[in-house]
Amino acid sequence: DIQMTQSPSSLSASVGDRVTITCRASQSISTYLNWCQQKPGQAPKLLISAASSLQSGVPSRFSGSGSGTDFTLTISSLQPEDFATYYCQQSYSTPFTFGPGTKVDIK
Amino acid sequence: QITLKESGPTLVKPTQTLTLTCTFSGFSLSTSGVGVGWIRQPPGKALEWLALIYWDDDNRYRPSLRSRLTITKDTSKNLVVLTMTNMDPVDTATYYCAHFLVDRRQFDYWGQGTLVTVSS
Repeated sequence: DIQMTQSPSSLSASVGDRVTITCRASQSISTYLNWCQQKPGQAPKLLISAASSLQSGVPSRFSGSGSGTDFTLTISSLQPEDFATYYCQQSYSTPFTFGPGTKVDIK
Repeated sequence: QITLKESGPTLVKPTQTLTLTCTFSGFSLSTSGVGVGWIRQPPGKALEWLALIYWDDDNRYRPSLRSRLTITKDTSKNLVVLTMTNMDPVDTATYYCAHFLVDRRQFDYWGQGTLVTVSS
């Protein structure tokens, strides 16, 4: 199985801050990397696919980059509705695997 | 508009078999390039992919659970069924089904999830 790690596991930030979350795969996954956002009590929501492709309707303050084993999710200016847990997920091969999540909360 | 909804028991006893149904609308599982997957999330923990069925009846399973899982589809009724045998308390989780686009390899629409508790 391809193992996914994320850092940090949690962070505290203020509205307007720039936030960067890192995801690392245990082997190269090309750009088969998705990011999703999950708010408490809700289902995950896909934000970015193929490492950098923003889903329709997702604000442009979200961006993704990377290839191979190292990826980043950036929120350019954190908004109140962005406080949530973020997961990366590799779709290079089954079993698809998710990272452990990064919880973003209010400083 | 694509929607999915999970249904099934909220409580099962250890050793019992869990049967979950994903009822969907807005797409057909007979359309090339489409799939439906199941993902679960134990309380307070991360997401874990379980199984995926494709439009052509091909399927994939999480290897560590392969012997316990079966995924099937009924294209005419727009539903996908996941069965998991020999349930254990560690299987307590919220179970989600999700629409999968093969060419983009993404779960782009998710159901609301259903919490299944395994307890005697």
